[in-house]
Amino acid sequence: EAQVTQNPRYLITVTGKKLTVTCSQNMNHEYMSWYRQDPGLGLRQIYYSMNVEVTDKGDVPEGYKVSRKEKRNFPLILESPSPNQTSLYFCASSLNRAQPQHFGDGTRLSIL
Amino acid sequence: ILNVEQSPQSLHVQEGDSTNFTCSFPSSNFYALHWYRWETAKSPEALFVMTLNGDEKKKGRISATLNTKEGYSYLYIKGSQPEDSATYLCAFRTGNQFYFGTGTSLTVIP
Repeated sequence: EAQVTQNPRYLITVTGKKLTVTCSQNMNHEYMSWYRQDPGLGLRQIYYSMNVEVTDKGDVPEGYKVSRKEKRNFPLILESPSPNQTSLYFCASSLNRAQPQHFGDGTRLSIL
Repeated sequence: ILNVEQSPQSLHVQEGDSTNFTCSFPSSNFYALHWYRWETAKSPEALFVMTLNGDEKKKGRISATLNTKEGYSYLYIKGSQPEDSATYLCAFRTGNQFYFGTGTSLTVIP
């Protein structure tokens, strides 16, 4: 089954404790992206990747890192999480930037 | 920061009614306009990708139009059904980046 898989689905953690949210897709997609969803705001793009080893900042990259060492995986890293990063996060992928995106099920992060 | 606006914010219609909502976006540096449907407790699902001025797309009872010169797209739902209840998102692509609106929440009352 074609899918985008995010883990974990839920996480409660504390300020400053490094965490990684994994994202994996099985569709051989080139374009991958991370978004955050906050109340009253639209999905905001954090980082995106056009292909392996090619990543770039989206609208709200501060406090986040990403890597794209393999085509299928695009982890989101919070080196020193802070409460303002409490949010619902979505990973998405598409064949290329021109095609519709497939979204993962979301990861709800709470940083205390 | 680019502004993508959707209106109305929410909408309640009776089953069988037809409805439409709007996505407004910058008319410059336009690459594409995506529409997604987002049901509660699920993830967004793609409806349409529109790239050319005057584009019209249709999927069943849902259709969309695009005006890139004036920076808007309409989404129409004909004969709304309860299963159409969802939030409808539009996303403006410029270059490699996407900017999403806040969505229109549609509730179809049986």
